[in-house]
Amino acid sequence: DAGVIQSPRHEVTEMGQEVTLRCKPISGHDYLFWYRQTMMRGLELLIYFNNNVPIDDSGMPEDRFSAKMPNASFSTLKIQPSEPRDSAVYFCASSLWPINYEQYFGPGTRLTVT
Amino acid sequence: EDQVTQSPEALRLQEGESSSLNCSYTVSGLRGLFWYRQDPGKGPEFLFTLYSAGEEKEKERLKATLTKKESFLHITAPKPEDSATYLCAVQALGETSGSRLTFGEGTQLTVNP
Repeated sequence: DAGVIQSPRHEVTEMGQEVTLRCKPISGHDYLFWYRQTMMRGLELLIYFNNNVPIDDSGMPEDRFSAKMPNASFSTLKIQPSEPRDSAVYFCASSLWPINYEQYFGPGTRLTVT
Repeated sequence: EDQVTQSPEALRLQEGESSSLNCSYTVSGLRGLFWYRQDPGKGPEFLFTLYSAGEEKEKERLKATLTKKESFLHITAPKPEDSATYLCAVQALGETSGSRLTFGEGTQLTVNP
């Protein structure tokens, strides 16, 4: 199994630009999660999907953030326009609930907004 | 609101020096408590799930235990390759939060040779 796949691994962009992060969950998993990790705030849940439907987006910081899951094997997290305070590592995770409650994480995308 | 507090924030051990990491939690009803390991530049790697007080799980030099208020990750005779940040997370009962994890800040473990 390839695990959760994220792209790009690193993204450097200028303030005001649109950023799109991509995630492919583990095949067969029905939950997908987007997290953000910073030194100050640790690991924060942004949004999660069940069977491609957004369930809880209360962690999305602002309207500049949006996420979609058009099918079971692909999800995007978009930031438009980006700001320096969005700099962080963004993780995608997936799980097969309730068979396994644990979530499996991808390698992350390190975003730097200058 | 679910809360997870990990201590210490950082821990330095000599190779072979056993110790424990603590995870205190507050949750309305616990479905599961999870331990993850995170290496620099990588995503968290799943280690254990504990479901009820008194439960224990082991993997190599690691043993996780659970009480009604906290969990411990015991590291026996650690090696330098055990150096990482260890994250604790809880999952609450309830339909709307059935799959959400609340993470602690982590304990950064360094094992010196």
